[in-house]
Amino acid sequence: KNQVEQSPQSLIILEGKNCTLQCNYTVSPFSNLRWYKQDTGRGPVSLTIMTFSENTKSNGRYTATLDADTKQSSLHITASQLSDSASYICVVVLYGQNFVFGPGTRLSVLP
Amino acid sequence: DAGITQSPRYKITETGRQVTLMCHQTWSHSYMFWYRQDLGHGLRLIYYSAAADITDKGEVPDGYVVSRSKTENFPLTLESATRSQTSVYFCASSDPSDRDRKYNEQFFGPGTRLTVL
Repeated sequence: KNQVEQSPQSLIILEGKNCTLQCNYTVSPFSNLRWYKQDTGRGPVSLTIMTFSENTKSNGRYTATLDADTKQSSLHITASQLSDSASYICVVVLYGQNFVFGPGTRLSVLP
Repeated sequence: DAGITQSPRYKITETGRQVTLMCHQTWSHSYMFWYRQDLGHGLRLIYYSAAADITDKGEVPDGYVVSRSKTENFPLTLESATRSQTSVYFCASSDPSDRDRKYNEQFFGPGTRLTVL
């Protein structure tokens, strides 16, 4: 069983619409939780980082939330753009350099 | 600033052949990592290195060999490639310096797509 699960597996939305991606994790305790964006053919790039005590973090049109009680995180994208088409990966960092990656959600933004 | 690069970007090989994937970083980061990414799975750690001449196994090390004679290079070798090693391989680096210690950010290369026939 994956320690970090994401839903949905894939999502298609129209340009300008909002969307929310979900991440459920079982690993605990952890140092921080991150969301990465991975464009096709590229390596992942960090979007947001939240420590255990933080419950929200924004980066432009991206807002991540964290509920440590329910072990859930979400990534909300506002006013989507074509360039938001990518995979979004939830990562739980246990300690030091120990990263646990979710399988990702593939987002397609259509004109 | 080139950052972190990988070569080749694409490689096709046959079962049983030896293959080496290269990773080079220009930041002098102490830590370097090798991951593989397969459909339906998150990135999985193959090997990592905390410094030159120090390497350690990750989650899926079988069939792979690494070395790190210089800080900037971290090659990954498949000694006898198998079809199950068909994957996209990512190299990453980080430096848990005072400034970054809170987050231990990892920076990823562009990946190598390896196909084993």
